[in-house]
Amino acid sequence: NAGVTQTPKFRVLKTGQSMTLLCAQDMNHEYMYWYRQDPGMGLRLIHYSVGEGTTAKGEVPDGYNVSRLKKQNFLLGLESAAPSQTSVYFCASSTGLAGGSHEQYFGPGTRLTVT
Amino acid sequence: AQSVAQPEDQVNVAEGNPLTVKCTYSVSGNPYLFWYVQYPNRGLQFLLKYITGDNLVKGSYGFEAEFNKSQTSFHLKKPSALVSDSALYFCAVRDFETSGTYKYIFGTGTRLKVLA
Repeated sequence: NAGVTQTPKFRVLKTGQSMTLLCAQDMNHEYMYWYRQDPGMGLRLIHYSVGEGTTAKGEVPDGYNVSRLKKQNFLLGLESAAPSQTSVYFCASSTGLAGGSHEQYFGPGTRLTVT
Repeated sequence: AQSVAQPEDQVNVAEGNPLTVKCTYSVSGNPYLFWYVQYPNRGLQFLLKYITGDNLVKGSYGFEAEFNKSQTSFHLKKPSALVSDSALYFCAVRDFETSGTYKYIFGTGTRLKVLA
């Protein structure tokens, strides 16, 4: 099992460019999440999904879009990158089953710099 | 709204001494509480959780946490700290939606530094 993987690991963008971050999980989890981590701010939820074909806004959704076309994949898009989106992005997944374990499994992160 | 607070940005402790990393929460209903650890340039790793049952929860790497409902706290503890415990620690609470789905709310993190 690879767990949760993220692609790419590093990226540098110029202001206004677009990109997509890919998250994949092989644990058959229903729930998937995208967070950003900034110094002193902890983890802030951007968007999440409770199942294939569903998405919902988190705490800081502006400037980002997501899609969950397949259960195992959760894509995070930046249509027009801004320097304020410089951050480390983490994907996570968890089972949505009522009797299942409740913890999240995290990917290794993507370090994004917008110049 | 659910929330979780970690009042200390950093905790310093000497190797071999007991350590405590504090977390308080605000939830409606029964809380689902979690601790995660993050080593440099890595993703978060699950340490332990409280869902129901005994107030003292044991987890990975010798860590434990005490759930205190009256003080709305869930402090992380370890009897004897190791230098290798130095990392960033996050407390989290599950936030249930009216739809029946849920998400997680994280604290801002506490950096633990264990001094040799």
